[in-house]
Amino acid sequence: TQLLEQSPQFLSIQEGENLTVYCNSSSVFSSLQWYRQEPGEGPVLLVTVVTGGEVKKLKRLTFQFGDARKDSSLHITAAQPGDTGLYLCAGNTGTASKLTFGTGTRLQVTL
Amino acid sequence: NAGVTQTPKFRILKIGQSMTLQCAQDMNHNYMYWYRQDPGMGLKLIYYSVGAGITDKGEVPNGYNVSRSTTEDFPLRLELAAPSQTSVYFCASSYSTGYTDNSPLHFGNGTRLTVT
Repeated sequence: TQLLEQSPQFLSIQEGENLTVYCNSSSVFSSLQWYRQEPGEGPVLLVTVVTGGEVKKLKRLTFQFGDARKDSSLHITAAQPGDTGLYLCAGNTGTASKLTFGTGTRLQVTL
Repeated sequence: NAGVTQTPKFRILKIGQSMTLQCAQDMNHNYMYWYRQDPGMGLKLIYYSVGAGITDKGEVPNGYNVSRSTTEDFPLRLELAAPSQTSVYFCASSYSTGYTDNSPLHFGNGTRLTVT
């Protein structure tokens, strides 16, 4: 079973601060996804990264896939209260049964 | 635009009782999944289906059963509820394998189940 460890587990910051969330594994993934989940709702896909070293930007969010495709990071610039939620990474080894979710990072952004 | 609909939203069961968690999607997706989410543990795959009539076990299938008689519906059955099955259950669907930006997993809003 592949394990995806996310760090930190919890993060509480003030509006305007920058932050980085990490997703690490000893396994190689063919692609990696990031989801955001708000209370009482299901996760919603933010981005998929496929190529080692790939960087994708989604407004103030920057996602990077490690060169060896074993890790990923999510950087948020100038965080806003609307960024509050649970961030989940999920690594894919190529089949329907093999999407492994990380342990999650709970982010709270206060005014 | 209903997407993935799960019912009920909340349920309390006594040990040994049984119940069915309902999941329906209106996007004509072939792939459907059941996950459970426990605090600090991420999402664990229980069962999945690649099309009507086809189901397969995920990472944590023990204590659960599924069926897929139609493309739209994918119910999850708990036969003898145990406290270890206290969790939040999410159903998801995707057009294909779901691991691309063009075919993401679409999740329902979950069922919070407590077994006492």
